[in-house]
Amino acid sequence: DIQMTQSPSSVSASVGDRVTITCRASQDINSWLAWYQQKPGKAPNLLIYDASSLRSGVPLRFSGSGSGTDFSLTISSLQPEDFATYYCQQTNSFPHTFGQGTKLEI
Amino acid sequence: EVQLVESGGGLVQPGGSLRLYCAASGLSVSDYEMNWVRQAPGKGLEWVSYSNRDGGIILYADSVRGRFTISKDTAENSLYLQMNSLRADDTAVYFCARRFSRYMDVWGKGTTVTVSS
Repeated sequence: DIQMTQSPSSVSASVGDRVTITCRASQDINSWLAWYQQKPGKAPNLLIYDASSLRSGVPLRFSGSGSGTDFSLTISSLQPEDFATYYCQQTNSFPHTFGQGTKLEI
Repeated sequence: EVQLVESGGGLVQPGGSLRLYCAASGLSVSDYEMNWVRQAPGKGLEWVSYSNRDGGIILYADSVRGRFTISKDTAENSLYLQMNSLRADDTAVYFCARRFSRYMDVWGKGTTVTVSS
């Protein structure tokens, strides 16, 4: 199975800050990577797919990059509604493993 | 509006069974690949099971293979997860999700399964 490792596990930031979360795969996954946002008590929400494609309706302050084994999610200017937990997921091969999550706190 | 609604969760004793339901509206489950994903209390997301459009390709996580069965009912436009031989570590919120172009773009709100004596 492909292991996905996110860092950091948690990060504290302020409104207006720029934040970057990284995700490393244990083997080459090409660009088959998604980023999800999850708020407490809610289902995950797809933000980024194919490592860098922004899902329709997702604010432009979110961006993704990377290929192979190293990926990142950047939020350019944090808004109050962005404080949540973020997960990466590889879809290169089953099982489609998730990272352990990064909690973004105020 | 495209919507998935899970139900069937509850409290069950270790070794027991439950059947989860995922009712779809605004989409036909037969037109899409579908997944179950779970989240244990305070933990991260874990992919559980996958079905392709016609149910001809079905996959499971190692942790549930041989105990869980995914299926679709096109007449009811629903996805199911039959869970047998339940264990305490199956306790989680279970989400169904549509898979579109490799990614899960529509999710239900989840149903809670608690395995405890």
